[in-house]
Amino acid sequence: DAGVTQSPTHLIKTRGQHVTLRCSPISGHKSVSWYQQVLGQGPQFIFQYYEKEERGRGNFPDRFSARQFPNYSSELNVNALLLGDSALYLCASSLGSAGGELFFGEGSRLTVL
Amino acid sequence: GEDVEQSLFLSVREGDSSVINCTYTDSSSTYLYWYKQEPGAGLQLLTYIFSNMDMKQDQRLTVLLNKKDKHLSLRIADTQTGDSAIYFCAEFLSLSGNTGKLIFGQGTTLQVKP
Repeated sequence: DAGVTQSPTHLIKTRGQHVTLRCSPISGHKSVSWYQQVLGQGPQFIFQYYEKEERGRGNFPDRFSARQFPNYSSELNVNALLLGDSALYLCASSLGSAGGELFFGEGSRLTVL
Repeated sequence: GEDVEQSLFLSVREGDSSVINCTYTDSSSTYLYWYKQEPGAGLQLLTYIFSNMDMKQDQRLTVLLNKKDKHLSLRIADTQTGDSAIYFCAEFLSLSGNTGKLIFGQGTTLQVKP
């Protein structure tokens, strides 16, 4: 069975641009969460989506947005990129919304120049 | 506050046991997790424990949970060079509406010497 898949794996953008990152959860999983991992730190929570609705939002500016599609895949969008947005963006997949097994993808590494 | 703390570095000899410690803050956390991250990779779920358990064993991995002290540990028996990685402790913090988020520590770098 395929695990959590994320695309693209690497990308380079310049300040002010926008980016769309994609995530496909494990088959049957209805919850997708997004995390940002800056180099040398633990991941920080950005969003949780469950059954296509936003269920939680971390302390990130409105430049960050996301959505979940009917097939439970998800997109994370970041507008007006700043140098500080350079990070590994991780998607996590779970069956439900309240914990249990939480599996991560390999991440999308974003570099903002 | 939301804060998970781990020691930053641990060095062991191949074949020895490794013990990585973690303290968390929210006594109502329902799940606690251990993830492994190798260079340039995502997070690999190693194991997790429900808060009503004291111990969980899975092959070479043993997780101990002390809820009174909010202390979690991961013991790796017969540590191998392939175990060299960063290990993250995380607690599942409940939000409203039966949802939640993971709060991660800074990670412990495990170095295994041959």
